[in-house]
Amino acid sequence: DVKVTQSSRYLVKRTGEKVFLECVQDMDHENMFWYRQDPGLGLRLIYFSYDVKMKEKGDIPEGYSVSREKKERFSLILESASTNQTSMYLCAGGWVGELFFGEGSRLTVL
Amino acid sequence: DAKTTQPPSMDCAEGRAANLPCNHSTISGNEYVYWYRQIHSQGPQYIIHGLKNNETNEMASLIITEDRKSSTLILPHATLRDTAVYYCIVRVPSNSGYALNFGKGTSLLVTP
Repeated sequence: DVKVTQSSRYLVKRTGEKVFLECVQDMDHENMFWYRQDPGLGLRLIYFSYDVKMKEKGDIPEGYSVSREKKERFSLILESASTNQTSMYLCAGGWVGELFFGEGSRLTVL
Repeated sequence: DAKTTQPPSMDCAEGRAANLPCNHSTISGNEYVYWYRQIHSQGPQYIIHGLKNNETNEMASLIITEDRKSSTLILPHATLRDTAVYYCIVRVPSNSGYALNFGKGTSLLVTP
């Protein structure tokens, strides 16, 4: 089975902390994505990458950055976490509309 | 990408067919219709996709109207485990430089 693994299911951080969310895929896909999901707002695209060291902004990139040093790993970085970044973060990999998602990382910023 | 419209919620009795509609009246000729679902506390899961012909797999059937302006996802015998949010997405397939835009979907509740 294809697999996308997110490093942490639950995290609690303090305002101003630097936060790393890690995502690893074993599908050898070029494309990887980070979404966030909030009640009433659905899934919103933060960043995506279609190749190593390549990145593209999604709909809500402000306050986030990403890193894609290896094909299998796509990291989401919150340089200085804020309370409005409390959310569920979902990583995905795939192609041609057939995305495979990880289980999600629920981040709480206090 | 073409915009899609789905009802916010639907109910279905267990064992009955669940028919989830999606309107995509501005779809263009090379755009596919994709369906995903998200069970509570999990990441979205791919279900099925199609261009203009009806499609069926082990999970569901997809019926696309002849003018392609709407489609219906059919779960032939809904179970309680089919309770989820279902997303209809229209997109040109591409191997790179693309992303899927998920709307708010339809929240399907399957009742005993």
